[in-house]
Amino acid sequence: ETTVTQSPASLSMAVGEKVSISCKTSTDIDDDMNWYQQKSGEAPKLLISEGNTLRPGVPSRFSSSGYGTDFVFTINNVLLGDEGIYYCQQSDNVPDTFGAGTKLELK
Amino acid sequence: QVQLQQSGAELVKPGSSVKISCKASGYTFTSYDMHWIKQQPGNGLEWIGWIYPGNGNTKYNQKFNGKATLTADKSSSTAYMQLSSLTSEDSAVYFCARLGYGSYSYWFAYWGQGTLVTVSS
Repeated sequence: ETTVTQSPASLSMAVGEKVSISCKTSTDIDDDMNWYQQKSGEAPKLLISEGNTLRPGVPSRFSSSGYGTDFVFTINNVLLGDEGIYYCQQSDNVPDTFGAGTKLELK
Repeated sequence: QVQLQQSGAELVKPGSSVKISCKASGYTFTSYDMHWIKQQPGNGLEWIGWIYPGNGNTKYNQKFNGKATLTADKSSSTAYMQLSSLTSEDSAVYFCARLGYGSYSYWFAYWGQGTLVTVSS
């Protein structure tokens, strides 16, 4: 099983700042990393999928990079509406595994 | 559009079982796996397993072998997950989810709204 280590656990940012979240995997997963946003009381929403591809309708402020075992998710110019918990998830091998999440709060 | 509608919250006693449902619409139910994912309060997400409604094949996360049983009813386009021998560790929100596919990988593209299961005497 591939372990996904996500950091930091929480962030407190001001509007307009840049957010960076790291996910490290215990095995090489190529670029089979997905990123989700979960707002309070809702299901996770897919933001970025294979090959660091932004999903349709997702603002270009969101991006990701990485290959192999090290991945970074970035939000440029963070907005109040970006509050929530962000998860990474590897889809290279079964079982699918998720990072523990990063809770993003806006000051 | 793809929609997954889950059954309502459940309050169940320790040692009992519960069966939650996920009704699919907007696509051909028998052509896609249905996955189930657990989210405990304050915890992350755990993949439980999938069922392929077309033939009933299943695959489970080893951790949930014996705990979760996945079934599907083609006539009603509904997937089910039964959880047995419930303990407080099973108190969680459970999501059903359908995959989306790319050129070489997949992701959880569509999610139900979640079903809260609370295990308490």
